[in-house]
Amino acid sequence: KAGVTQTPRYLIKTRGQQVTLSCSPISGHRSVSWYQQTPGQGLQFLFEYFSETQRNKGNFPGRFSGRQFSNSRSEMNVSTLELGDSALYLCASSLGGLAGAETQYFGPGTRLLVL
Amino acid sequence: AQSVSQHNHHVILSEAASLELGCNYSYGGTVNLFWYVQYPGQHLQLLLKYFSGDPLVKGIKGFEAEFIKSKFSFNLRKPSVQWSDTAEYFCAVTLNQAGTALIFGKGTTLSVSS
Repeated sequence: KAGVTQTPRYLIKTRGQQVTLSCSPISGHRSVSWYQQTPGQGLQFLFEYFSETQRNKGNFPGRFSGRQFSNSRSEMNVSTLELGDSALYLCASSLGGLAGAETQYFGPGTRLLVL
Repeated sequence: AQSVSQHNHHVILSEAASLELGCNYSYGGTVNLFWYVQYPGQHLQLLLKYFSGDPLVKGIKGFEAEFIKSKFSFNLRKPSVQWSDTAEYFCAVTLNQAGTALIFGKGTTLSVSS
């Protein structure tokens, strides 16, 4: 079974631009969560989508948004990029039915550098 | 706010030494507990998890962890480490009423010398 895939793997943008990251979950998984990983703040939860609806949201500004499609693939968008948005963005998928009591499987991440 | 604390930022061991990494969480309700590992150049992988039942859980590659509810702890152990265990280890929790949002500790870097 194929794992979680994320595209692109690397991205360089400049301040003020916007970016869209994509995540394809494991087949049959309906929940997709996004995390931001930085050396200073560690791994922080951004949001979770289940059956095309945002089910949970972390403490990030409105510049960070996402969506999920009917095939469970998810995209994350960051508008008006800031230098501090430079990070590794991780996507994780799970079956979704049991919410917290499930294993999340992580993708390789998209490394975003904002100049 | 709920948080997860990992006491050791960097641990250095020789092969065959025993390992224990500490993890404490701050939440009085029901939690689900996880240890994830990130090997150099690889993505996060699940080592083990605790949802309910026997508080001593066994994971992959000889790792185990014990949930002690009274101490809000979920420490990771391995009796004899190998060079291939060099990696970053993350403790994480989810709260049943908060969906799948994993709350991670800051991570512990383990360096094993051969």
